[in-house]
Amino acid sequence: VVMTQSPLSLPVTLGQPASISCRSSQRLVSSDGYTHLTWFHQRPGQSPRRLIYKVSHRDSGVPDRFSGSGSGTDFVLEISRVEAEDVGVYYCMQGTSWPFTFGPGTKVDIK
Amino acid sequence: EMQVVESGGGVVRPGGSLRLSCTASGFKFDDFGMTWVRQIPGKGLEWVSGINWNGGSTGYADSVKGRFSISRDNAKKSLYLQMNTLRADDTGFYYCARVPGYGWNPLSMDVWGKGTTVTVSS
Repeated sequence: VVMTQSPLSLPVTLGQPASISCRSSQRLVSSDGYTHLTWFHQRPGQSPRRLIYKVSHRDSGVPDRFSGSGSGTDFVLEISRVEAEDVGVYYCMQGTSWPFTFGPGTKVDIK
Repeated sequence: EMQVVESGGGVVRPGGSLRLSCTASGFKFDDFGMTWVRQIPGKGLEWVSGINWNGGSTGYADSVKGRFSISRDNAKKSLYLQMNTLRADDTGFYYCARVPGYGWNPLSMDVWGKGTTVTVSS
């Protein structure tokens, strides 16, 4: 399954919303009925951190300004109001179909 | 605090071998699947291998199948990646990560280590 993301680079203004799109080459509904689409955030020099799993479930400790949505092959990560700590690279990953694959990443920085 | 810590990275010549280790703490290790993910410098993330809670089920990316072997020792709360016949394109940063649930498929990862560097060069 090929994962694509857009844009690949996203300059944002503090306090403004931001949106990242992720598209899969196949539908991601698993045999268990769930869609295993995960969003990770990687700050410079750090490990990835999971933000969202199963399309829209926010991890504990993740600010509620982050939200995930989508279905089938099209998914979106939205940040309602960007803060300085949100810079870094965002990856989507499909965990439904083996071998599992990541998107190329979207680099978010502050204008 | 739940954490996993990788070790064993280093510099190795093409064709050589390396064994990575990952030690877990702060959670019941044998309740979770585990996985290895790598990152080529300046590039994105690539899933490498996964293993279920008791080691009875494993999976590999095509790029490492037949060369890498994943295993675990629940008594030692440790995960391993035996890497043989290493190639230059195996160079990267290797992360160990926990998979919520007993299996490794389907996949998501909720606890990541800081990673260990593998350099394959002559």
